[in-house]
Amino acid sequence: NAGVTQTPKFQVLKTGQSMTLQCAQDMNHEYMSWYRQDPGMGLRLIHYSVGAGITDQGEVPNGYNVSRSTTEDFPLRLLSAAPSQTSVYFCASSSPGLAGSRGLEQYFGPGTRLTVT
Amino acid sequence: AQKITQTQPGMFVQEKEAVTLDCTYDTSDPSYGLFWYKQPSSGEMIFLIYQGSYDQQNATEGRYSLNFQKARKSANLVISASQLGDSAMYFCAMREKNTGNQFYFGTGTSLTVIP
Repeated sequence: NAGVTQTPKFQVLKTGQSMTLQCAQDMNHEYMSWYRQDPGMGLRLIHYSVGAGITDQGEVPNGYNVSRSTTEDFPLRLLSAAPSQTSVYFCASSSPGLAGSRGLEQYFGPGTRLTVT
Repeated sequence: AQKITQTQPGMFVQEKEAVTLDCTYDTSDPSYGLFWYKQPSSGEMIFLIYQGSYDQQNATEGRYSLNFQKARKSANLVISASQLGDSAMYFCAMREKNTGNQFYFGTGTSLTVIP
């Protein structure tokens, strides 16, 4: 099992450019999410999905789009990059289930370091 | 209000000593899970330990234990016999049923183990 994979590992964009961060998992997890990590702010949820065809906004969704056409893939699209989107982006997946049950930890990808100039 | 609060931005511990990293949480949901993750300088997020809201006993995983005090809404991580490789950022997180099983993370604690 590859677990959660993310591409690219590093990316530099100019302001106004668009791009897609790829995320895939091979664990048949229904729950997938995208976070951004900024210094001193922990991980903040951008968007998440509870299954193919279902997505929802997290804490900081502005400037980002997602779609979930398959269980395996959950790409994150930056529509028009801004310097404020310079961050490290993590994709994660987990099994669904009742919070409070075992086996619901998230598995994280290695992250994408994005710089917008 | 913050769902997860970690009040210690940085901590130091002597090698082989024990250290406690604090975490408090805020929820009215009876069904929730609490998690701790480690992020070394290489950047990956490593799952350490889990505590369910209905668990009667504190979780333990090797040198990691979770001091779960439900009434106080605290879920402190205890690392025993610290090693140099424990130097990392540590994040507390919660997953609750009421908000669609979303995860909420704290701002993290940077732990440095001193030889």
